[in-house]
Amino acid sequence: DAGITQSPRYKITETGRQVTLMCHQTWSHSYMFWYRQDLGHGLRLIYYSAAADITDKGEVPDGYVVSRSKTENFPLTLESATRSQTSVYFCASSDGQYNEQFFGPGTRLTVL
Amino acid sequence: RKEVEQDPGPFNVPEGATVAFNCTYSNSASQSFFWYRQDCRKEPKLLMSVYSSGNEDGRFTAQLNRASQYISLLIRDSKLSDSATYLCVVKPPRGLSGFKTIFGAGTRLFVKA
Repeated sequence: DAGITQSPRYKITETGRQVTLMCHQTWSHSYMFWYRQDLGHGLRLIYYSAAADITDKGEVPDGYVVSRSKTENFPLTLESATRSQTSVYFCASSDGQYNEQFFGPGTRLTVL
Repeated sequence: RKEVEQDPGPFNVPEGATVAFNCTYSNSASQSFFWYRQDCRKEPKLLMSVYSSGNEDGRFTAQLNRASQYISLLIRDSKLSDSATYLCVVKPPRGLSGFKTIFGAGTRLFVKA
């Protein structure tokens, strides 16, 4: 009964490095999402995916890349990390476009 | 105007009090609405969906007013364990910019003994 998991839970990296955050869900939900949460901004959508091999930009996609080769996985890559990408990243999944989303435990990323 | 606006609070209430949160949204064609709860340093969790006819779940009541474009959450008989941040979530219809889910910034609630 894993539900939705994220790894790593904590990550410290340096400016310019590539970082990949993993997200895995066991519900076979079609939709998956990546959000970042920062003080003063609330949750902001980075990318989402409606199904395997279908991804689209959200509100703040710059500097991020996603892929979805399998329904259950939705990795988020920071191609060249910047300090402004220090944040808490949440992955979520949903079985419908207008249905509730279920969140993973989050990854706390610090870029030095 | 923000797409979803909430009173940031914090709301400080004693145990047993009734507290109400409001949330306004800008897109009148929005399709679905939710309240989530988020504890400190944890992920958001669904508290309840909000239906046009209003809905209740124990001590929690959610209402939607489409004409005025706001949703509300009422918590009766507050418990210490209700202390959290409450997030209003609105899903507008899919537009040219694609699918969106709009989260409010959240309202913090502190329930004190």
